Amino acid sequence: DIQMTQSPSTLSASVGDRVTITCRASQSISSWLAWYQQKPGKAPKLLIYKASSLESGVPSRFSGSGSGTEFTLTISSLQPDDFATYYCQQYNSLWTFGQGTKVEIK
Amino acid sequence: QVQLQESGPGLVKPSETLSLTCTVSGGSISSYYWSWIRQPPGKGLEWIGYIYYSGSTNYNPSLKSRVTISVDTSKNQFSLKLSSVTAADTAVYYCARVDATMIVVGWGQGTLVTVSS
Repeated sequence: DIQMTQSPSTLSASVGDRVTITCRASQSISSWLAWYQQKPGKAPKLLIYKASSLESGVPSRFSGSGSGTEFTLTISSLQPDDFATYYCQQYNSLWTFGQGTKVEIK
Repeated sequence: QVQLQESGPGLVKPSETLSLTCTVSGGSISSYYWSWIRQPPGKGLEWIGYIYYSGSTNYNPSLKSRVTISVDTSKNQFSLKLSSVTAADTAVYYCARVDATMIVVGWGQGTLVTVSS
């Protein structure tokens, strides 16, 4: 089974900050990685797929990078609507989600 | 716009079988994959399994012995059965639509299932 480890678990930031979340896979998953944003009481929303492809309608301040076992999600300038929990998901071999990173207001 | 709606009991007794149905509207279920994902209260997402419209399935190895996902194309529905439930199975259960690249592109609103006597 492929394990996904996100860091940090919680991130405190201010509006306008550049934010980076890391996701590591226990073995190579090529670029088969997605990022989701989830707000309380809501279903997750797809942000990034295939490690770096931006989903239609997602603001360009979101970007993804990486391949193999290490990936990052970057928010270039944090906006009030971005305070949420973010999950990575590998889909190279079955599916596994990371444990989540909560982005909270500093 | 394809929409998904979960339905089923909100309370299940320990050792019994949890059964949920996802109804797909605004499009045909006869394309791509359909998935179940759950989220225990205050915790992260856990993939349960997915099914191709033809009926082929893949399950999370940690749940495989207890999970059955099936599809009914005549009703545009797919279903989840999870047997021998315990309190650890208490979660919000989401059904989801998966595109050809195996990305989740649509979610139901989620339904809370509590396992308790």
